[in-house]
Amino acid sequence: DQQVKQNSPSLSVQEGRISILNCDYTNSMFDYFLWYKKYPAEGPTFLISISSIKDKNEDGRFTVFLNKSAKHLSLHIVPSQPGDSAVYFCAASAGANNLFFGTGTRLTVIP
Amino acid sequence: GAVVSQHPSWVICKSGTSVKIECRSLDFQATTMFWYRQFPKQSLMLMATSNEGSKATYEQGVEKDKFLINHASLTLSTLTVTSAHPEDSSFYICSARGVAGGVDTQYFGPGTRLTVL
Repeated sequence: DQQVKQNSPSLSVQEGRISILNCDYTNSMFDYFLWYKKYPAEGPTFLISISSIKDKNEDGRFTVFLNKSAKHLSLHIVPSQPGDSAVYFCAASAGANNLFFGTGTRLTVIP
Repeated sequence: GAVVSQHPSWVICKSGTSVKIECRSLDFQATTMFWYRQFPKQSLMLMATSNEGSKATYEQGVEKDKFLINHASLTLSTLTVTSAHPEDSSFYICSARGVAGGVDTQYFGPGTRLTVL
């Protein structure tokens, strides 16, 4: 049972435009959400996180939005750069428990 | 920033041999470490969760006698793939949860590519 879902396996965006990556979850006990970026043959790199008490967290070009009623979160990257091309995983946890990962979205930023 | 290291980064071994992969948290203490496996073009699959000083908790379908996990200290966890077979060939990634730079999150190692001939 996939508790965290990323329904778009891939996304292509022009350089300079906004990239929006979406993630849905089913477990209402999740209270901490993270986004990771992953290149092939490397471990995921932590990007940004948000706790359930917030609905937005911003760090430079990256902003994560959380809609608890819809059990949905999104990652906005603006402006998108070619170096942002990678696979992005969203993850969620309940308390200090293990993270549940989505299946990833491959972002391609076209120069 | 927080760093989690893995050693070796890649290993090739013969079928039937055992391989040990080390995972270290370099600038924070990790009471909990996780081991993941990633198949090509798939998401990360949690294999087991290890807490320092206690036995690891394995996910359903993961053979605990085949994938031995030892969490000897707050900064070191090891995964030993025993009697490796070609189907064990995969990308293994460890992760450590802790607070570094004021952020409580889960940091990942760079991964270990295991190829069993």
